[in-house]
Amino acid sequence: IAGITQAPTSQILAAGRRMTLRCTQDMRHNAMYWYRQDLGLGLRLIHYSNTAGTTGKGEVPDGYSVSRANTDDFPLTLASAVPSQTSVYFCASSDGTSGPNEQFFGPGTRLTVL
Amino acid sequence: GQNIDQPTEMTATEGAIVQINCTYQTSGFNGLFWYQQHAGEAPTFLSYNVLDGLEEKGRFSSFLSRSKGYSYLLLKELQMKDSASYLCAVRDRDYKLSFGAGTTVTVRA
Repeated sequence: IAGITQAPTSQILAAGRRMTLRCTQDMRHNAMYWYRQDLGLGLRLIHYSNTAGTTGKGEVPDGYSVSRANTDDFPLTLASAVPSQTSVYFCASSDGTSGPNEQFFGPGTRLTVL
Repeated sequence: GQNIDQPTEMTATEGAIVQINCTYQTSGFNGLFWYQQHAGEAPTFLSYNVLDGLEEKGRFSSFLSRSKGYSYLLLKELQMKDSASYLCAVRDRDYKLSFGAGTTVTVRA
């Protein structure tokens, strides 16, 4: 693989179910991020991790949890999904050591909660 | 936190120039980014400004004025493939990005 991958590509989920969105990068980037993108609201940060073993809350963290056990993986878990979590979810990573440190985005997961 | 404003939509003709403005209010500025996002795809990095002035990259240029909290993205010699959303994002000192809602540019033949 090259870059960032996300799985699944799309998912329809019943309300109340638990769901984990997977994100893996092979660029050895220190920092990783989870965003949700909703029409008219743009990308909003859910959680982030500046390095393996650490995580932080973004703008809209409620109802979501993350873990960062190693450099490559950054799963996002919805413990009990609700319809308002219907969105497109993007994972991103950045080097965070020098220069612009632009974020590279995965292809996204389209989640529908019914 | 950040408060980022950009126009919702713009339309231009193939071969023309379009300027997308972005204004922001920030509690800790550490750079401004422009991303391009085609429908159904992931955002891709276009440009980065951290000092005042103009950065040019081929047909795309980005300008920053930190004292005015203002940036613009200039797209020259528009092509049909430039039809996309353009996202303005401000980075804080913790390296977190805050995004504007995006500007959808439609290029007409």
